[in-house]
Amino acid sequence: DAKTTQPPSMDCAEGRAANLPCNHSTISGNEYVYWYRQIHSQGPQYIIHGLKNNETNEMASLIITEDRKSSTLILPHATLRDTAVYYCIVRVVGTASKLTFGTGTRLQVTL
Amino acid sequence: ETGVTQTPRHLVMGMTNKKSLKCEQHLGHNAMYWYKQSAKKPLELMFVYNFKEQTENNSVPSRFSPECPNSSHLFLHLHTLQPEDSALYLCASSQDKEGRVYFGAGTRLSVL
Repeated sequence: DAKTTQPPSMDCAEGRAANLPCNHSTISGNEYVYWYRQIHSQGPQYIIHGLKNNETNEMASLIITEDRKSSTLILPHATLRDTAVYYCIVRVVGTASKLTFGTGTRLQVTL
Repeated sequence: ETGVTQTPRHLVMGMTNKKSLKCEQHLGHNAMYWYKQSAKKPLELMFVYNFKEQTENNSVPSRFSPECPNSSHLFLHLHTLQPEDSALYLCASSQDKEGRVYFGAGTRLSVL
């Protein structure tokens, strides 16, 4: 699986949009971009994934650049409950391929 | 509630004890995983099972012994652990074609 690079930490004011970047310059054509988050001492939670088109669901939006070498996760209106470590992962779909976690971005949402 | 249930949630054991962690998924998935998360470290994949067959073992010490009797259940048998094995142990499952992985809440293990 391709490697990803994320900033170690970010801050965001409550109610504002949180934009979390991820670089995956070695991504292959059959690899998807996945985002998970882990709230302190809980199991990671799936947020969203995409291949090349932008995606949106009830939790977030995912913007993937045209060359697919980077992406941005957008939490449109961050709340205190969004404070967590956010992981950007690229992986192939279609096999029992495991998720390989890096160190992620620790997002702190403040009042 | 993710559909992946782990028991117990907390476990304290001595180095000479034998204990087991249990994981059950109610999602009809064919793949199941054990991950370990030590303090301030990234999650580490330990084992992967696909249709009850072990497909990956990431050089895990033999004091950790997984068992997958069917696609819905996964166990991690523990014996003669070391204090450095204290960590959060997470179980997960997925369905190949979907690609999304669902995690349980984890078992917080302390080895004394």
